[in-house]
Amino acid sequence: NAGVTQTPKFQVLKTGQSMTLQCAQDMNHEYMSWYRQDPGMGLRLIHYSVGAGITDQGEVPNGYNVSRSTTEDFPLRLLSAAPSQTSVYFCASSTPGEVNTEAFFGQGTRLTVV
Amino acid sequence: QQQVKQSPQSLIVQKGGISIINCAYENTAFDYFPWYQQFPGKGPALLIAIRPDVSEKKEGRFTISFNKSAKQFSLHIMDSQPGDSATYFCAAHFTGGFKTIFGAGTRLFVKA
Repeated sequence: NAGVTQTPKFQVLKTGQSMTLQCAQDMNHEYMSWYRQDPGMGLRLIHYSVGAGITDQGEVPNGYNVSRSTTEDFPLRLLSAAPSQTSVYFCASSTPGEVNTEAFFGQGTRLTVV
Repeated sequence: QQQVKQSPQSLIVQKGGISIINCAYENTAFDYFPWYQQFPGKGPALLIAIRPDVSEKKEGRFTISFNKSAKQFSLHIMDSQPGDSATYFCAAHFTGGFKTIFGAGTRLFVKA
């Protein structure tokens, strides 16, 4: 019963480096999303996907890229890391359209950009 | 544009006391209001939720009060315990939509 799995849990990057944060879910959820969590800012939506092959921008998309080739996976790419991208990143999945939809979150990736 | 405003940002409560967290929303299309609880090092998890056709929902020590006309809702934690120390997020969603909009979060600390 894995739910939403994120890897890695921790990562340190140098400014300008690129990397991919992995997210996988085994609940067959159509909707997947990426958030970043910063102190006092809550959860801010970066990108989301409503199904394989369909993605869209959220509130803070700049500097990030996503793709959704399968229902299960939704990786987040940092194109050229900047110190402002130091944050905790959460992936979530849910089934949209349900009356009482619940978002299931992964355990997060703590990213530090130096 | 922040569509869900949450207060306070942090809260300290004595063991056995009542913790109250407030949220206000703008979009009247929202029809589902969940609260998420997040422990350090973990992702948020659904705690309790309410729909606007009821004014109150209670699950154990946790109660949501909802005021549709004022577009406000609140979480009450009765008999607060140190194990309740966590960050709480209110949220809003509309059926058939995709996004859940989160408040900024409240960091609760319950003193033993």
